[in-house]
Amino acid sequence: AQSVTQLDSHVSVSEGTPVLLRCNYSSSYSPSLFWYVQHPNKGLQLLLKYTSAATLVKGINGFEAEFKKSETSFHLTKPSAHMSDAAEYFCVVSGGGGTSYGKLTFGQGTILTVHP
Amino acid sequence: GAGVSQSPSNKVTEKGKDVELRCDPISGHTALYWYRQSLGQGLEFLIYFQGNSAPDKSGLPSDRFSAERTGGSVSTLTIQRTQQEDSAVYLCASSFTGGGEKLFFGSGTQLSVL
Repeated sequence: AQSVTQLDSHVSVSEGTPVLLRCNYSSSYSPSLFWYVQHPNKGLQLLLKYTSAATLVKGINGFEAEFKKSETSFHLTKPSAHMSDAAEYFCVVSGGGGTSYGKLTFGQGTILTVHP
Repeated sequence: GAGVSQSPSNKVTEKGKDVELRCDPISGHTALYWYRQSLGQGLEFLIYFQGNSAPDKSGLPSDRFSAERTGGSVSTLTIQRTQQEDSAVYLCASSFTGGGEKLFFGSGTQLSVL
């Protein structure tokens, strides 16, 4: 079984300040972890993914995430927020065994608001 | 087309009616997923098709929900005797192998049950 918990339903930051979106996971198997972003009225877009290579993963638009096995965390960060980063972000775990190998489990989502 | 195509984009129906939602994955993608996003909720897994294997139906919320994937390509999600709690955005996604690789999402079908 696998699960994902996004610790904040809403995060609000000022433009130019750092972004931190928190995610904890549990998985019975070595997981693959992803962050997806959903902008208003648009489809989901992959930001980055971790698949047991480097623990610090760099994604698009300046985002990165660090896989910490000891803390079962995969927090998403960005050094400086832009107005265009305002969206909903989903942390996702994959890797359930057997026939559900490809099954993804999504967190509840974090809405990021960026203030001028 | 170049991406995952879903139709219709919006569907309004009356309680008790049946609805069919269609998903056209990217050509060559063997894995196809259906998800549901209800207002205020995260994405909820419904069903997963991988090649010719038996689908993983563990996420279907009731026996009113069913899905088919014909010829390893187009998929149809059917909801029978719709209820108001079925109102949600239904998202389809596909990937090349289904091993957790990059998913390509459609833009979804907004279902409203009155």
